[in-house]
Amino acid sequence: GAVVSQHPSWVICKSGTSVKIECRSLDFQATTMFWYRQFPKQSLMLMATSNEGSKATYEQGVEKDKFLINHASLTLSTLTVTSAHPEDSSFYICSAARLDTEAFFGQGTRLTVV
Amino acid sequence: GNSVTQMEGPVTLSEEAFLTINCTYTATGYPSLFWYVQYPGEGLQLLLKATKADDKGSNKGFEATYRKETTSFHLEKGSVQVSDSAVYFCALSDRDTGKLIFGQGTTLQVKP
Repeated sequence: GAVVSQHPSWVICKSGTSVKIECRSLDFQATTMFWYRQFPKQSLMLMATSNEGSKATYEQGVEKDKFLINHASLTLSTLTVTSAHPEDSSFYICSAARLDTEAFFGQGTRLTVV
Repeated sequence: GNSVTQMEGPVTLSEEAFLTINCTYTATGYPSLFWYVQYPGEGLQLLLKATKADDKGSNKGFEATYRKETTSFHLEKGSVQVSDSAVYFCALSDRDTGKLIFGQGTTLQVKP
């Protein structure tokens, strides 16, 4: 299957700082990328959908000013958690898809805000 | 709206036991159905999928059949191994948007 690389795999940051997470599709061009958040022992919650060259579409209840998503190319999307707080600590997972194919997932990023 | 419901876990089995994890869905139209597996500390991996009614997805000894009449996609394996211990997610894909809707996940623990 296709490869989606997410970086970093884990990060610890201080409260109030911003953290950027990258999601790359390594061997295919992704028309759409999705960002999910997973709380401990819970399912994945879709945060936003991004299409290359256009603004991301956020799910209800997700603060777009706090979770900035940029999809600059067909192989790269970034999620920036701005002014992070301890409640933002979570496992963030991206997935990438192209038309008529399944989505492929990155390995996830564990964010800990102290 | 679309939704997926899985049986609650954790499910604890002995090695070589038979596994069933129930999954039912609610959807408009005809979604594709998936099972994903998440091993400790890792991201999700696609385990198997089915794109239309009566399709059977299979991989690594796991199987699931797309049952439109019962809106179900139960995961089965005839003989589990310790290495199968993981969290299993049932999901459906909205054909129009490509969004994946996940169930709550079921933790499987297989003991030697």
